[in-house]
Amino acid sequence: DTGVSQDPRHKITKRGQNVTFRCDPISEHNRLYWYRQTLGQGPEFLTYFQNEAQLEKSRLLSDRFSAERPKGSFSTLEIQRTEQGDSAMYLCASSWRTANYGYTFGSGTRLTVV
Amino acid sequence: ELKVEQNPLFLSMQEGKNYTIYCNYSTTSDRLYWYRQDPGKSLESLFVLLSNGAVKQEGRLMASLDTKARLSTLHITAAVHDLSATYFCAVEKDSNYQLIWGAGTKLIIKP
Repeated sequence: DTGVSQDPRHKITKRGQNVTFRCDPISEHNRLYWYRQTLGQGPEFLTYFQNEAQLEKSRLLSDRFSAERPKGSFSTLEIQRTEQGDSAMYLCASSWRTANYGYTFGSGTRLTVV
Repeated sequence: ELKVEQNPLFLSMQEGKNYTIYCNYSTTSDRLYWYRQDPGKSLESLFVLLSNGAVKQEGRLMASLDTKARLSTLHITAAVHDLSATYFCAVEKDSNYQLIWGAGTKLIIKP
């Protein structure tokens, strides 16, 4: 297992289009997280899953955002009707149940809405 | 509300010098993490600090945690150019695995 994988690495989309990102966590990790990072800022928490259950969602996650983790393996993050303000790096991370070993982040998906 | 503040936000230093980055947080937490991020790249885990008084060292970097003071430090010894990056601290909120992040310290080390 080579770590957390995210696809695509880059996405350019027109305003109003829908986009979907995929994250494949480390296979032994049962927790999966999505964060958003804009230029020059620290990441902001969006949501997290324990196995297939979505346990917490940030207020930042508007109705246009939805995340799933079917079967507790990979996860998808969909943004509907994209806006220019959605332009950011979307980071996925995974961890063991206790997170004593920290969180492993993927390389991220950079979204540009034009 | 948990807030995390780092300082300085920008640091330019010469190779061979020592310096410390500070991370203060506003409410009780026993878990603090340090990450490194290179431009356009993802976050690389540096240290996981899980208890009061924890100290960890890796190469020229040493991190410590004082939960009573709600303060963590990242100390750089005899800096080298390869350590140039942005360093983030993150604190776990209410043990629910949500990380609250500092704004990052952009470190530039001049040869």
